[in-house]
Amino acid sequence: DIQMTQSPSSLSASVGDRVTITCRASQSISIFLNWYQQKPGKAPNLLIYAASTLQSGVPSRFSGSGSGTDFTLTISSLQPEDIATYYCQQSYSTPRTFGQGTKVEIK
Amino acid sequence: EVQLVESGGGLVQPGGSLRLSCAASGFTFGKFAMTWVRQAPGKGLEWVSATSGSGSNTYYADSVKGRFTISRDNSKNTLYLQTDSLRAEDTAVYYCAKDLQQQVIRGPDAFDVWGQGAVVTVSS
Repeated sequence: DIQMTQSPSSLSASVGDRVTITCRASQSISIFLNWYQQKPGKAPNLLIYAASTLQSGVPSRFSGSGSGTDFTLTISSLQPEDIATYYCQQSYSTPRTFGQGTKVEIK
Repeated sequence: EVQLVESGGGLVQPGGSLRLSCAASGFTFGKFAMTWVRQAPGKGLEWVSATSGSGSNTYYADSVKGRFTISRDNSKNTLYLQTDSLRAEDTAVYYCAKDLQQQVIRGPDAFDVWGQGAVVTVSS
């Protein structure tokens, strides 16, 4: 199985800050990496698929990059509504595996 | 409006069974693969099972293989997850999700629509 490792596990930033979350795969997964946002008590929401394609309706302050084993989710200017846990997930093989999550809080 | 609504969750004793359902609306159900993802209390997301648009191909996590069965009825726009031999560690919120693709492929696939979740509690 492909292991997905996110860092950091949590972060605290101020409104307006640039926030970066990284995800590393245990083997090359090409660009087949997705990012989800999950707010407390809610279902996850797809933000980015295929490493860098923004899902329809997602604000442009979210962006993704990377290929192979190393990927990044960037929030260009953190907003209060971005408080959530973020997960990466690979679609290279089954079982589809998720990272352990990164909790983003406001400082 | 594209929507997924899960049902069938509840409290069950260890060794028991439950059948979860996921009713889909707002899209051509049979044209998309479907997936179950679960989340134990306070934990992260765990992929459980998936099926192709036709239902002819199915996939399972090792943790549920041989105990859970995924199926779908495209005439009823409904996805199912039969959960047998339940264990305490199966306690979780179970989400159904729609795939971007018709097959479970090696490629640009993701879960773009999610249900609200069904709570399964396994306890004596």
